[in-house]
Amino acid sequence: AQKVTQAQTEISVVEKEDVTLDCVYETRDTTYYLFWYKQPPSGELVFLIRRNSFDEQNEISGRYSWNFQKSTSSFNFTITASQVVDSAVYFCALSEGGYNTDKLIFGTGTRLQVFP
Amino acid sequence: GAGVSQTPSNKVTEKGKYVELRCDPISGHTALYWYRQSLGQGPEFLIYFQGTGAADDSGLPNDRFFAVRPEGSVSTLKIQRTERGDSAVYLCASSLGQYNEQFFGPGTRLTVL
Repeated sequence: AQKVTQAQTEISVVEKEDVTLDCVYETRDTTYYLFWYKQPPSGELVFLIRRNSFDEQNEISGRYSWNFQKSTSSFNFTITASQVVDSAVYFCALSEGGYNTDKLIFGTGTRLQVFP
Repeated sequence: GAGVSQTPSNKVTEKGKYVELRCDPISGHTALYWYRQSLGQGPEFLIYFQGTGAADDSGLPNDRFFAVRPEGSVSTLKIQRTERGDSAVYLCASSLGQYNEQFFGPGTRLTVL
């Protein structure tokens, strides 16, 4: 069965601290896709990254970086030098490579609060 | 460019009533999805359209829920005989196709009294 676990319910940091959001997934497929989305207080989900199961290279985009490790079924997200605007709920999601499906399985989210 | 739009933004109805929620995807996106998000939870998949047809409706909770996309663009989620447990934010997303990133709309907050 597919499952995404985000064990950290809420994290609070002070501005400029680095913070890592954990994501552990379960799947029986060899082909799958992993995503991170941000949901700010306004409510609209914002796409951050997509990674396929064959690409284990870490990715960096500005202050954001992602660490994908198939050996531990983890896809962790790090924000460097956090800012107040990073305050949001962050969701990790999994999509399996099924023929007639494209559903995202979301974790329960991690609420990040960045204090000035 | 315009993102995914959803109407209404808020809908309050009484138990037992029928509601329709509308989604306008990003122009050119062939895939459309409906999700439901309850407070404190991640979005939960309902249905996926590729073009006009529902490719995967495995997430619809029961036969009171139905969705259409007759011309491969706008979609309507229909809920019959609403129940208090249907209260949630209903999210629509669209994408260029299978396995591409899904872009979400602002959602419709449905409250069933």
